[in-house]
Amino acid sequence: DSGVTQTPKHLITATGQRVTLRCSPRSGDLSVYWYQQSLDQGLQFLIQYYNGEERAKGNILERFSAQQFPDLHSELNLSSLELGDSALYFCASSASGHGYEQYFGPGTRLTVT
Amino acid sequence: LAKTTQPISMDSYEGQEVNITCSHNNIATNDYITWYQQFPSQGPRFIIQGYKTKVTNEVASLFIPADRKSSTLSLPRVSLSDTAVYYCLVGAQTGANNLFFGTGTRLTVIP
Repeated sequence: DSGVTQTPKHLITATGQRVTLRCSPRSGDLSVYWYQQSLDQGLQFLIQYYNGEERAKGNILERFSAQQFPDLHSELNLSSLELGDSALYFCASSASGHGYEQYFGPGTRLTVT
Repeated sequence: LAKTTQPISMDSYEGQEVNITCSHNNIATNDYITWYQQFPSQGPRFIIQGYKTKVTNEVASLFIPADRKSSTLSLPRVSLSDTAVYYCLVGAQTGANNLFFGTGTRLTVIP
Protein backbone atom coordinates (compact mmCIF):
# COMPACT_ATOMS: atom_id res chain seq x y z
CA ASP A 1 0.00 0.00 0.00
CA SER A 2 1.62 3.22 -1.21
CA GLY A 3 -0.53 5.50 0.92
CA VAL A 4 -1.98 7.21 -2.16
CA THR A 5 -5.70 6.73 -2.64
CA GLN A 6 -7.74 7.18 -5.78
CA THR A 7 -11.47 7.14 -6.32
CA PRO A 8 -13.38 5.75 -7.99
CA LYS A 9 -11.70 2.46 -8.83
CA HIS A 10 -13.74 1.97 -11.98
CA LEU A 11 -15.79 4.37 -14.05
CA ILE A 12 -17.93 3.63 -17.07
CA THR A 13 -19.43 6.52 -18.97
CA ALA A 14 -20.59 7.54 -22.41
CA THR A 15 -18.92 9.67 -25.05
CA GLY A 16 -19.43 13.38 -24.57
CA GLN A 17 -19.76 13.11 -20.81
CA ARG A 18 -17.62 14.66 -18.10
CA VAL A 19 -16.02 12.84 -15.16
CA THR A 20 -13.92 13.76 -12.15
CA LEU A 21 -11.19 11.56 -10.74
CA ARG A 22 -9.97 12.12 -7.22
CA CYS A 23 -6.60 11.56 -5.60
CA SER A 24 -5.40 11.86 -2.03
CA PRO A 25 -1.60 11.95 -1.70
CA ARG A 26 0.46 10.31 1.00
CA SER A 27 0.43 12.18 4.26
CA GLY A 28 2.91 15.03 4.06
CA ASP A 29 3.51 14.84 0.31
CA LEU A 30 3.17 18.18 -1.42
CA SER A 31 3.34 17.09 -5.06
CA VAL A 32 0.66 15.30 -7.01
CA TYR A 33 1.13 13.92 -10.51
CA TRP A 34 -1.41 12.57 -12.98
CA TYR A 35 -0.63 9.95 -15.61
CA GLN A 36 -2.63 8.20 -18.31
CA GLN A 37 -1.91 4.64 -19.38
CA SER A 38 -3.78 3.19 -22.34
CA LEU A 39 -3.82 -0.52 -23.10
CA ASP A 40 -0.28 -1.74 -23.73
CA GLN A 41 1.02 1.82 -23.69
CA GLY A 42 3.61 3.43 -21.54
CA LEU A 43 2.75 5.92 -18.87
CA GLN A 44 1.97 9.36 -20.25
CA PHE A 45 2.58 12.20 -17.86
CA LEU A 46 -0.30 14.65 -17.82
CA ILE A 47 0.28 17.29 -15.17
CA GLN A 48 1.92 17.99 -11.81
CA TYR A 49 0.85 20.17 -8.91
CA TYR A 50 3.04 21.23 -6.04
CA ASN A 51 1.44 22.67 -2.92
CA GLY A 52 -1.56 23.90 -4.85
CA GLU A 53 0.27 25.36 -7.83
CA GLU A 54 0.70 23.86 -11.27
CA ARG A 55 4.38 22.81 -11.56
CA ALA A 56 4.68 20.98 -14.86
CA LYS A 57 2.51 20.08 -17.79
CA GLY A 58 2.86 17.10 -20.05
CA ASN A 59 0.64 15.70 -22.78
CA ILE A 60 -2.59 16.90 -21.27
CA LEU A 61 -5.44 17.59 -23.66
CA GLU A 62 -7.35 20.87 -23.48
CA ARG A 63 -10.45 18.84 -22.59
CA PHE A 64 -8.68 17.76 -19.40
CA SER A 65 -7.98 19.93 -16.39
CA ALA A 66 -6.78 19.39 -12.87
CA GLN A 67 -6.41 21.19 -9.60
CA GLN A 68 -4.92 20.65 -6.17
CA PHE A 69 -6.87 21.84 -3.18
CA PRO A 70 -5.62 23.38 0.10
CA ASP A 71 -5.83 19.99 1.81
CA LEU A 72 -3.52 18.74 -1.00
CA HIS A 73 -5.95 16.32 -2.57
CA SER A 74 -6.26 16.65 -6.32
CA GLU A 75 -8.93 16.18 -8.93
CA LEU A 76 -8.57 15.45 -12.62
CA ASN A 77 -11.51 16.56 -14.74
CA LEU A 78 -12.07 14.94 -18.11
CA SER A 79 -14.72 16.44 -20.35
CA SER A 80 -16.22 15.80 -23.78
CA LEU A 81 -15.04 12.25 -23.40
CA GLU A 82 -14.06 10.21 -26.44
CA LEU A 83 -13.59 6.48 -26.87
CA GLY A 84 -9.83 7.03 -26.97
CA ASP A 85 -9.87 8.43 -23.46
CA SER A 86 -10.51 4.95 -22.11
CA ALA A 87 -7.44 4.19 -20.00
CA LEU A 88 -6.03 3.72 -16.55
CA TYR A 89 -5.44 7.04 -14.83
CA PHE A 90 -2.82 7.05 -12.12
CA CYS A 91 -2.11 9.60 -9.50
CA ALA A 92 1.25 9.74 -7.76
CA SER A 93 2.65 11.87 -4.99
CA SER A 94 6.07 12.83 -3.76
CA ALA A 95 7.41 14.82 -0.87
CA SER A 96 9.17 17.37 -3.05
CA GLY A 97 8.60 18.91 -6.43
CA HIS A 98 11.28 17.16 -8.43
CA GLY A 99 9.39 13.94 -8.95
CA TYR A 100 12.09 11.49 -8.07
CA GLU A 101 10.60 9.10 -5.59
CA GLN A 102 6.98 9.02 -6.58
CA TYR A 103 4.38 6.85 -4.90
CA PHE A 104 1.57 5.73 -7.14
CA GLY A 105 -2.04 5.09 -6.32
CA PRO A 106 -4.00 2.03 -7.50
CA GLY A 107 -5.45 3.92 -10.47
CA THR A 108 -8.89 4.63 -11.85
CA ARG A 109 -9.96 2.57 -14.82
CA LEU A 110 -12.07 4.71 -17.13
CA THR A 111 -14.14 3.09 -19.84
CA VAL A 112 -15.85 5.34 -22.36
CA THR A 113 -18.59 3.63 -24.37
CA LEU B 1 15.27 15.77 -20.55
CA ALA B 2 17.66 12.90 -21.06
CA LYS B 3 16.30 10.25 -23.43
CA THR B 4 16.61 6.67 -22.32
CA THR B 5 16.77 3.43 -24.28
CA GLN B 6 15.93 0.05 -22.77
CA PRO B 7 15.33 -3.38 -24.26
CA ILE B 8 11.66 -3.93 -24.97
CA SER B 9 11.55 -7.35 -23.33
CA MET B 10 13.65 -9.94 -21.54
CA ASP B 11 13.08 -13.50 -20.39
CA SER B 12 14.79 -15.17 -17.46
CA TYR B 13 14.52 -18.42 -15.53
CA GLU B 14 13.60 -18.45 -11.87
CA GLY B 15 16.56 -18.16 -9.54
CA GLN B 16 18.78 -16.37 -12.03
CA GLU B 17 20.21 -12.89 -11.71
CA VAL B 18 18.71 -10.45 -14.19
CA ASN B 19 20.46 -7.36 -15.46
CA ILE B 20 18.49 -4.70 -17.33
CA THR B 21 20.56 -2.00 -18.96
CA CYS B 22 19.38 1.50 -19.75
CA SER B 23 21.27 3.83 -22.09
CA HIS B 24 21.19 7.56 -21.45
CA ASN B 25 23.94 9.06 -23.57
CA ASN B 26 22.97 12.68 -23.01
CA ILE B 27 22.64 12.52 -19.25
CA ALA B 28 23.34 15.87 -17.61
CA THR B 29 25.68 16.52 -14.72
CA ASN B 30 22.91 16.94 -12.17
CA ASP B 31 20.69 14.11 -13.44
CA TYR B 32 19.83 11.17 -11.23
CA ILE B 33 18.78 7.70 -12.44
CA THR B 34 15.63 6.14 -11.07
CA TRP B 35 14.04 2.74 -11.70
CA TYR B 36 10.42 1.75 -11.23
CA GLN B 37 8.60 -1.59 -11.41
CA GLN B 38 5.04 -1.97 -12.65
CA PHE B 39 2.74 -4.99 -12.43
CA PRO B 40 -0.29 -5.24 -14.73
CA SER B 41 -3.09 -2.86 -13.79
CA GLN B 42 -1.10 -1.43 -10.89
CA GLY B 43 0.75 1.83 -10.46
CA PRO B 44 4.55 1.80 -10.78
CA ARG B 45 6.58 1.19 -7.66
CA PHE B 46 9.86 2.99 -6.92
CA ILE B 47 12.72 0.48 -6.79
CA ILE B 48 16.02 2.31 -6.60
CA GLN B 49 17.79 5.54 -7.42
CA GLY B 50 21.41 6.49 -7.91
CA TYR B 51 23.84 9.09 -9.17
CA LYS B 52 27.11 7.19 -9.65
CA THR B 53 28.92 3.92 -8.85
CA LYS B 54 26.74 1.39 -7.08
CA VAL B 55 23.61 1.55 -4.98
CA THR B 56 22.06 -1.44 -3.27
CA ASN B 57 18.88 -1.90 -1.32
CA GLU B 58 16.83 -4.88 -0.19
CA VAL B 59 15.26 -5.24 -3.63
CA ALA B 60 17.92 -4.52 -6.25
CA SER B 61 21.30 -3.07 -7.11
CA LEU B 62 22.00 -0.24 -9.50
CA PHE B 63 25.34 -0.06 -11.27
CA ILE B 64 26.40 3.21 -12.88
CA PRO B 65 29.74 3.43 -14.72
CA ALA B 66 32.00 6.42 -14.42
CA ASP B 67 30.77 8.07 -17.63
CA ARG B 68 27.14 7.63 -16.46
CA LYS B 69 25.95 7.10 -20.02
CA SER B 70 24.25 3.89 -19.01
CA SER B 71 23.00 2.14 -15.91
CA THR B 72 22.18 -1.46 -15.05
CA LEU B 73 19.44 -2.61 -12.74
CA SER B 74 20.35 -5.95 -11.21
CA LEU B 75 17.70 -8.21 -9.70
CA PRO B 76 19.21 -11.11 -7.74
CA ARG B 77 17.63 -14.56 -7.95
CA VAL B 78 14.39 -13.56 -9.63
CA SER B 79 11.13 -15.30 -8.89
CA LEU B 80 7.89 -15.52 -10.85
CA SER B 81 6.62 -12.51 -8.89
CA ASP B 82 9.32 -10.34 -10.47
CA THR B 83 7.54 -10.59 -13.82
CA ALA B 84 6.74 -6.95 -14.52
CA VAL B 85 7.66 -3.92 -16.61
CA TYR B 86 10.74 -2.02 -15.46
CA TYR B 87 11.18 1.67 -16.28
CA CYS B 88 14.38 3.69 -16.25
CA LEU B 89 14.07 7.44 -15.75
CA VAL B 90 16.75 10.09 -15.89
CA GLY B 91 16.31 13.64 -14.67
CA ALA B 92 17.56 16.44 -12.51
CA GLN B 93 16.67 17.08 -8.91
CA THR B 94 15.28 20.46 -9.78
CA GLY B 95 12.16 20.78 -11.84
CA ALA B 96 9.70 18.13 -12.85
CA ASN B 97 11.61 16.97 -15.88
CA ASN B 98 12.11 13.29 -15.17
CA LEU B 99 8.55 12.27 -15.81
CA PHE B 100 9.00 10.39 -19.07
CA PHE B 101 8.44 6.71 -18.36
CA GLY B 102 8.59 5.41 -21.92
CA THR B 103 7.53 1.83 -22.58
CA GLY B 104 10.02 0.17 -20.24
CA THR B 105 11.40 -3.38 -20.31
CA ARG B 106 8.95 -6.23 -19.94
CA LEU B 107 10.64 -8.94 -17.87
CA THR B 108 9.12 -12.40 -17.94
CA VAL B 109 10.38 -14.91 -15.41
CA ILE B 110 9.99 -18.51 -16.53
CA PRO B 111 9.62 -21.42 -14.08
